[in-house]
Amino acid sequence: SQQGEEDPQALSIQEGENATMNCSYKTSINNLQWYRQNSGRGLVHLILIRSNEREKHSGRLRVTLDTSKKSSSLLITASRAADTASYFCATRQNFVFGPGTRLSVLP
Amino acid sequence: DAGVTQSPTHLIKTRGQQVTLRCSPKSGHDTVSWYQQALGQGPQFIFQYYEEEERQRGNFPDRFSGHQFPNYSSELNVNALLLGDSALYLCASSGHPGETQYFGPGTRLLVL
Repeated sequence: SQQGEEDPQALSIQEGENATMNCSYKTSINNLQWYRQNSGRGLVHLILIRSNEREKHSGRLRVTLDTSKKSSSLLITASRAADTASYFCATRQNFVFGPGTRLSVLP
Repeated sequence: DAGVTQSPTHLIKTRGQQVTLRCSPKSGHDTVSWYQQALGQGPQFIFQYYEEEERQRGNFPDRFSGHQFPNYSSELNVNALLLGDSALYLCASSGHPGETQYFGPGTRLLVL
């Protein structure tokens, strides 16, 4: 079974709004990584958060990690149409990916 | 600096045939991993190669095999193709096992 599970499966928002995606995992981790994938192409690494970190920022991205709840969230602020993509979390040295959240940002 | 490249971009095969997919890692990277991604699903880890050896393997049958060459490029071979092998096959490279991976654009395989 999947180690990481993203939630929701799909999300549709208007440009300028914030988008929040969640990831739950089952076993202990050293780090958790978030990736973006545009329409069936290769994945692009967004951000890595280590197990001893609680929050990390990169531009319009904010990632949080709660190891007690075995969950992480990815927040995209001031979304743009170009943010339309699928977003995945990965654990265990990237060997295990969740099914992803499909984000649609409407102009 | 070229990123990860994969060939071919698309491929159509029939059941029972064999296929070879190729991957060139990002410059300076020595570790290559392969993933299978079915439509609408997340990538599923097939195996990882480091120093020309298979270092880790996911839950895939022996029909899936690979190789890494001295220049760190890699091949994925799939024998006795099944309809269910139709997917996007992604290659990713990293500077070392466990480091951030950089993905190629993938090879889309269709088995008829």
